[in-house]
Amino acid sequence: EAGVAQSPRYKIIEKRQSVAFWCNPISGHATLYWYQQILGQGPKLLIQFQNNGVVDDSQLPKDRFSAERLKGVDSTLKIQPAKLEDSAVYLCASSLTLLAVTSTDTQYFGPGTRLTVL
Amino acid sequence: RKEVEQDPGPFNVPEGATVAFNCTYSNSASQSFFWYRQDCRKEPKLLMSVYSSGNEDGRFTAQLNRASQYISLLIRDSKLSDSATYLCVVKPGGSYIPTFGRGTSLIVHP
Repeated sequence: EAGVAQSPRYKIIEKRQSVAFWCNPISGHATLYWYQQILGQGPKLLIQFQNNGVVDDSQLPKDRFSAERLKGVDSTLKIQPAKLEDSAVYLCASSLTLLAVTSTDTQYFGPGTRLTVL
Repeated sequence: RKEVEQDPGPFNVPEGATVAFNCTYSNSASQSFFWYRQDCRKEPKLLMSVYSSGNEDGRFTAQLNRASQYISLLIRDSKLSDSATYLCVVKPGGSYIPTFGRGTSLIVHP
């Protein structure tokens, strides 16, 4: 079974530039998550989708971050404009359902996109 | 107080040792608990869920203490390959929003 795919794997930009990340979840997974993981910290949930609807985006800095999952499958996360403090790994995860509380229905993470803002 | 707190470590132990980590949570309505493992520069992967009665998977034992609001992970007979960061994850009851701790780093040396 193919895992969660993300691209690009690495991105280096200058502050005030824009950047976009792409995620393709595991086939059939209805729930998709975007996390930001700063070095030395745990992943912080930015936004959670159920199909093409937003479940939670309370920690998404909406003045500069946006995300969409228009057809309920792939998702993109955009930062515009980027700041130095956005340097982090952006992880996408998916789960079969919103519950994600069993060993078979759990979050599966992609490899992440490592963003460096100079 | 942070929602989910973990001692970042590192815990430095010899092979064969037994080591335990705790994770405290602030929301008493929390209902679902998990331990994830994250290797250096890799993505997190589910290690085990934590059930109210406690559960064991090989050398790993997870326990929940609702009264004191913490979960624990015990690793027996540590292997070099156990070296990783162990992340605690908590979900409140009725919520689908997972909250991760910052992780505890474990280094197992020969």
